[in-house]
Amino acid sequence: SQELEQSPQSLIVQEGKNLTINCTSSKTLYGLYWYKQKYGEGLIFLMMLQKGGEEKSHEKITAKLDEKKQQSSLHITASQPSHAGIYLCGARGGSQGNLIFGKGTKLSVKP
Amino acid sequence: NAGVTQTPKFRILKIGQSMTLQCTQDMNHNYMYWYRQDPGMGLKLIYYSVGAGITDKGEVPNGYNVSRSTTEDFPLRLELAAPSQTSVYFCASSLTRDSRLGNQPQHFGDGTRLSIL
Repeated sequence: SQELEQSPQSLIVQEGKNLTINCTSSKTLYGLYWYKQKYGEGLIFLMMLQKGGEEKSHEKITAKLDEKKQQSSLHITASQPSHAGIYLCGARGGSQGNLIFGKGTKLSVKP
Repeated sequence: NAGVTQTPKFRILKIGQSMTLQCTQDMNHNYMYWYRQDPGMGLKLIYYSVGAGITDKGEVPNGYNVSRSTTEDFPLRLELAAPSQTSVYFCASSLTRDSRLGNQPQHFGDGTRLSIL
């Protein structure tokens, strides 16, 4: 079965610094989703990447998909306290159409 | 837009009690899913549904039941609560299953935090 491994598990950065979160799949990726979760809340959809080499940006968050490496990266530029939370990557893991998820990366941004 | 709504947000049950976690969506999505999230373990699929009247087991279905009588609602039932079912439960929906021509993101509710004591 497919597994997604995220790194790092947790990250503490100073406000204004850039950071990158990686998501590596054990199998070929046919689409990759990034979600953000805050404590007590659900998962907020950030971005969906469908093709190798695809790159998407939303405000200060950029995600890329490297199909050959079976990997996606999420990059935050000039981090802010509002970026704090748990970032999860998800990919279609089976015929049910459900997502399988990485275990998440916990991001803290120090003001 | 309400999106995916889950109730209750919090619940404490005693071992052996039963309860139903409610999930409703107003986006006319065909696909609905129930996941549980345990600390450090990511999300695991419990049950899913591809449309009204159709449900199927996911990765961890034991101890749970579901029904899908309407497109909007997908309740999850715990019949005999056990401590191992202490978790955060998320309901999600999507318009269609992925295809090469059009992947669809899943939309999640805010979760139900359930403790079994």
